[in-house]
Amino acid sequence: SQQGEEDPQALSIQEGENATMNCSYKTSINNLQWYRQNSGRGLVHLILIRSNEREKHSGRLRVTLDTSKKSSSLLITASRAADTASYFCATAPNSGNTPLVFGKGTRLSVIA
Amino acid sequence: GAGVSQTPSNKVTEKGKYVELRCDPISGHTALYWYRQSLGQGPEFLIYFQGTGAADDSGLPNDRFFAVRPEGSVSTLKIQRTERGDSAVYLCASSQSGGYNEQFFGPGTRLTVL
Repeated sequence: SQQGEEDPQALSIQEGENATMNCSYKTSINNLQWYRQNSGRGLVHLILIRSNEREKHSGRLRVTLDTSKKSSSLLITASRAADTASYFCATAPNSGNTPLVFGKGTRLSVIA
Repeated sequence: GAGVSQTPSNKVTEKGKYVELRCDPISGHTALYWYRQSLGQGPEFLIYFQGTGAADDSGLPNDRFFAVRPEGSVSTLKIQRTERGDSAVYLCASSQSGGYNEQFFGPGTRLTVL
C-alpha cells in the first residue's frame, strides 16, 4: 500500500515559474525523502528531511516538513524544461528498519 | 561501482513462463530493495535484503515471486508462472546500511507478459 499522497497529480507551468508539490502521509516518520523520475525509469534522490527538521534547501529546491499536519512540500524555483519529470515523496516510517513508502507522484511539465 | 545496474532493461515473455531479473547494487551497499511500479503509480515495495538475508519480504504479492542475494551483493528476482498482471517496471535500489538512508535506484527492468 502507498502512504504518501502527492498533490497535485499533474502540474504544468512555464519555464522560469516556481513549482510547488505537496505530500501528505499517515503514520509517524523518521524522515521524508523526495525523488525525481524521468520517463518511468530509475528514480533519483533529491533531498531528505528528518522529522526534527522544518525546512531544507538544496540548490533550487526547498522542502518543508510539518509533522503536526503530516505533510511536506517541495518547491522548485525558476523552473527549467529539464525539470520535467515525475516527483515522488517517500516516507521512512518510524518503526524500525522498514523500507520507504512512496506516494503516487506529481507529474510536472515545464513548458519552454 | 558507478551505480546500480539492472539487467535486462526490457523483458518480454509469455504467460506461464519463468523469468529472472538481475540487480547489481553499488559496491559496499549492504541494503538492497526490490520495488514494482505500474503505470501512473509510485514504486511499491516487494522485498528488502540486509546482507544475504531477506529482512522484509512482506511486499511479495504471492509465492510465485522469490528473490535471492546469496553473496550479499548481486540479487535476482525470480517470477514463476508469469501472469499478465505481473507486467510492470521492476526497480532495484541499494543503500549504505538500509533503514533511514537515501536509496540509489537502478534504471529498472520493464517486464511485459503477453
